[in-house]
This record gives sequence, structure tokens and C-alpha cells, in this order.
Amino acid sequence: EAQVTQNPRYLITVTGKKLTVTCSQNMNHEYMSWYRQDPGLGLRQIYYSMNVEVTDKGDVPEGYKVSRKEKRNFPLILESPSPNQTSLYFCASSPGHRMLEQYFGPGTRLTVT
Amino acid sequence: QKEVEQDPGPLSVPEGAIVSLNCTYSNSAFQYFMWYRQYSRKGPELLMYTYSSGNKEDGRFTAQVDKSSKYISLFIRDSQPSDSATYLCAMMDDKIIFGKGTRLHILP
Repeated sequence: EAQVTQNPRYLITVTGKKLTVTCSQNMNHEYMSWYRQDPGLGLRQIYYSMNVEVTDKGDVPEGYKVSRKEKRNFPLILESPSPNQTSLYFCASSPGHRMLEQYFGPGTRLTVT
Repeated sequence: QKEVEQDPGPLSVPEGAIVSLNCTYSNSAFQYFMWYRQYSRKGPELLMYTYSSGNKEDGRFTAQVDKSSKYISLFIRDSQPSDSATYLCAMMDDKIIFGKGTRLHILP
């Protein structure tokens, strides 16, 4: 089944404890992206990647890191999480180098206390 | 003025009605316009996208873009309870911007 998977689905952590949210797609898509979704603010892009070893900042990159060493994986790293990073996170992938036709993962709900 | 504005709703309509969902935008550089549907506790899924102005139809769904008015619409015909979800518009030039979403309830 063609899909985008994220792990973990739920995470509660404490301020300053480094964490990684994994994202993997099995559709051989070039484009991958991370978003956060917050009430009243909608879906905002954090980082995106057009291909392996190519990443770029979205609208809200502060406090996040990403890497794209393999085509199928695009992990999101929070080196020192803070409470304002409590959010619902989505990974997405898209064929080609455009942000059209994005396939979203199921989401990761992160709580930072 | 925000780049993309979308009424959050909720919008409640009876089953079988025609639903109209709308977004306005300020950036005339947007060329691609998308509609996503998001069920509760799920990721968004793409319904359809259009390029520039005009209409696009897919089954019960019709997307319209009026670039002169900076206004896009999604129409749902013969609405069903399974259409109850949050609908997100999105627009793109060299970056993608999402609306905040409209919550839609179809009443049986």
C-alpha cells in the first residue's frame, strides 16, 4: 500500500530533551515536507526537501532540523524542544519537484512540558 | 491582510444540499490552487488542484478559481454525511500557503 508513515504517533516529552520524529514514504517521491498544525494558525510548513541532500526552510523553521540522506526518509529533529513546539506534526511527500499532490502521513501529536 | 483567508465555520448543511466553501487571497503570484479534505485525527488528503483561473470538476466536487477577484471556491453536490470534515484550501507560487480550514457538518 502506498503510504507515508510517521513515528511515533504520540509523544510527551520534557523541555530540552532531544527527539526525532521519523517519516518514511514508499512511493519513490522526490519531494518531502514537514508541517505543523495549530488551532487558529492552520497548517504551516517547517522544512521541505526537493531531493536527496537538498533541504530548505519553510515558514517556521526555527527550532527544527531535518536531513534527507535517503529518498524515502525525512526525519524531523528537535534538538532542544520547548513548550511552544507542542503541536500536531505532519509529514508529506509528492511526486516530482512540486508541492502539488501531496500525500500526508497520519500525524504525530507532540506535547512538550 | 493575511495571504489566505478561510472562514473556519462550522458550516452545517442538510444531506443532499449543495455546499459552497471559499477562500480569498492577497498574493496575485499564486498560480496553483488546491483543496484538501481532513477527517478528524487524520492527515489532509488532496481532493483536487487547478492551475490559474477556471473550473475543474471531479465527481461531486467542482473547484473554481477567479484570479481577478482573488477568490476560489469548492462546491460539493449531493452532500453526504461522509463529507463531514475540515476542508483546507492551499495556494502556491514558489511556496505553499494553506488556509486555516472550514469545518463542515452534513446533517443526515
